[in-house]
Amino acid sequence: GQQVMQIPQYQHVQEGEDFTTYCNSSTTLSNIQWYKQRPGGHPVFLIQLVKSGEVKKQKRLTFQFGEAKKNSSLHITATQTTDVGTYFCAGSLGGGSNYKLTFGKGTLLTVNP
Amino acid sequence: EAGVTQSPTHLIKTRGQQVTLRCSPISGHTSVYWYQQALGLGLQFLLWYDEGEERNRGNFPPRFSGRQFPNYSSELNVNALELEDSALYLCASSQERGPYEQYFGPGTRLTVT
Repeated sequence: GQQVMQIPQYQHVQEGEDFTTYCNSSTTLSNIQWYKQRPGGHPVFLIQLVKSGEVKKQKRLTFQFGEAKKNSSLHITATQTTDVGTYFCAGSLGGGSNYKLTFGKGTLLTVNP
Repeated sequence: EAGVTQSPTHLIKTRGQQVTLRCSPISGHTSVYWYQQALGLGLQFLLWYDEGEERNRGNFPPRFSGRQFPNYSSELNVNALELEDSALYLCASSQERGPYEQYFGPGTRLTVT
């Protein structure tokens, strides 16, 4: 079945350093979503990427979808303590009755102030 | 606008018992998804309901079941509880079926002893 791998599992940075998490799928995806889960909280939607090679930015966050639509990345510039949490990517193969999101195991980001 | 709500917040059950978890989606959302988040395993897709019908299910045994009511709220039932069912159960809703952002509830923490 479809698998979504995410690396690294953990990342500890000093405040102000950059951070990147990578997501790889065993199959070509129709779209990919990114979520953030704060400690003790629930996942919150960040963004969805649909097009091959797509790049989207949200302030200090940059999201990319690979040309082959099998990988994606999230890059945070100049991390802040508010960025702490687990970042999940989630891919789907498409719509219709077989639609489902397959989540990666997430990258836990901790930031040292 | 009220978010996704889930009840109960916490639950402690004994092996072999049965449990029912409840979820109310955001008003106007017709799709409800259930996920299991066990420690170290990320979010595992359980079930998807849309317009009262089960549209897809993840790789879980039949003792995990549920339903969606005419008001789009949903129940997740787990029979014959096992220790490994201990997890956070998250419900999410989206406005339509397909690749739309999912809004998660706070979850129900189930502990099986």
